[in-house]
Amino acid sequence: QKEVEQNSGPLSVPEGAIASLNCTYSDRGSQSFFWYRQYSGKSPELIMFIYSNGDKEDGRFTAQLNKASQYVSLLIRDSQPSDSATYLCAVPRGNDYKLSFGAGTTVTVRA
Amino acid sequence: NAGVMQNPRHLVRRRGQEARLRCSPVKGHSHVYWYRQLPEEGLKFMVYLQKENIIDESGMPKERFSAEFPKEGPSILRIQQVVRGDSAAYFCASSPSTGGTDTQYFGPGTRLTVL
Repeated sequence: QKEVEQNSGPLSVPEGAIASLNCTYSDRGSQSFFWYRQYSGKSPELIMFIYSNGDKEDGRFTAQLNKASQYVSLLIRDSQPSDSATYLCAVPRGNDYKLSFGAGTTVTVRA
Repeated sequence: NAGVMQNPRHLVRRRGQEARLRCSPVKGHSHVYWYRQLPEEGLKFMVYLQKENIIDESGMPKERFSAEFPKEGPSILRIQQVVRGDSAAYFCASSPSTGGTDTQYFGPGTRLTVL
């Protein structure tokens, strides 16, 4: 089992719609969860982090965490063409510093 | 407020040459991480360093790869006798402290191409 798995893409959504990205992780001891956005040919850019069960909202982004199910998701509301990118879920193992990344989900927002 | 800086941004080497990648962390950050992203693959941890110390190099190949973070100057990732399989994007990240809750901020990366 991979340490971090993301729903396979690519994901294509129309402008203005909600994009839903899922991520599961294998280490029950993981305490923090990060979503990075990576445009083609660029470096990962942090967009959200979440530590506690439940929802965390930041602008058009909402992260949802369910530690019992070992599941974290990212919702992008009112999707814009500029949201077209690959979204990476990253989880440190336990309280470790080494981030394990999922393979990423590529999102395309159609104008 | 300068973020993580990496240079060069693009590096071309012939097989057998040495590649030297540099990373300057965010000012005030004392923890540096190197990750590698192979084409069509995810990011993989390579090594974690603090000033003058390698803390964890478990993700780094045992041969040809080395890393340092001297008291003065940037962190260096060195690849000796490069092979085509080393072609990848190498990202450096830094954080103010360590622990699973600390955010790592990534530099722009060095894209290494081995001919």
